[in-house]
Amino acid sequence: AQSVTQLGSHVSVSEGALVLLRCNYSSSVPPYLFWYVQYPNQGLQLLLKYTSAATLVKGINGFEAEFKKSETSFHLTKPSAHMRDAAEYFCAVSAPDSGTYKYIFGTGTRLKVLA
Amino acid sequence: NAGVTQTPKFQVLKTGQSMTLQCAQDMNHEYMSWYRQDPGMGLRLIHYSVGAGITDQGEVPNGYNVSRSTTEDFPLRLLSAAPSQTSVYFCASSEDSGTDTQYFGPGTRLTVL
Repeated sequence: AQSVTQLGSHVSVSEGALVLLRCNYSSSVPPYLFWYVQYPNQGLQLLLKYTSAATLVKGINGFEAEFKKSETSFHLTKPSAHMRDAAEYFCAVSAPDSGTYKYIFGTGTRLKVLA
Repeated sequence: NAGVTQTPKFQVLKTGQSMTLQCAQDMNHEYMSWYRQDPGMGLRLIHYSVGAGITDQGEVPNGYNVSRSTTEDFPLRLLSAAPSQTSVYFCASSEDSGTDTQYFGPGTRLTVL
């Protein structure tokens, strides 16, 4: 069965600094990979997704993620953090399990942006 | 196009009470699911449905029932509420199975006393 691990439940960066949120996955077959963002008191919304078309995936709001099969990683980055990026970020993996695809979400990383 | 809607937004129950969390989507999506979100645990799948009349259990199904009589609606029933069910509940839908983008509702914050 697939699994996903997000390293660091809380990450703080200064405004303008690089954002790096880590995600590692485990899957016996090529998975679909996603990053979602959750702003306070809202549901999750998609930032970007990897579906095997290209290893570097660009998403909304300047975020991107690179699929590295050898490292089983799908880290999320943004060159310059904005105050509005403060939110909780979830990595998710989807792969076949007993005949159907099942989503598994990571435990989330809360990003704090310091002025 | 309202997307995924959930009612109520907030609910307080006493132990042993039952209730239904409503979820509806207007995107004609076949796949719908219910998650609960607890601090430090991310989102955990309760039940899901791949189409009208078809439901299956997720990771944490105990204490919850679902049905899918129409494509649009996917209610979640708490049979006998327990304090361990205090959580934020999210409904989500997607065009197909778990390979597609999931669209989430705004959530229901449930407290069981």
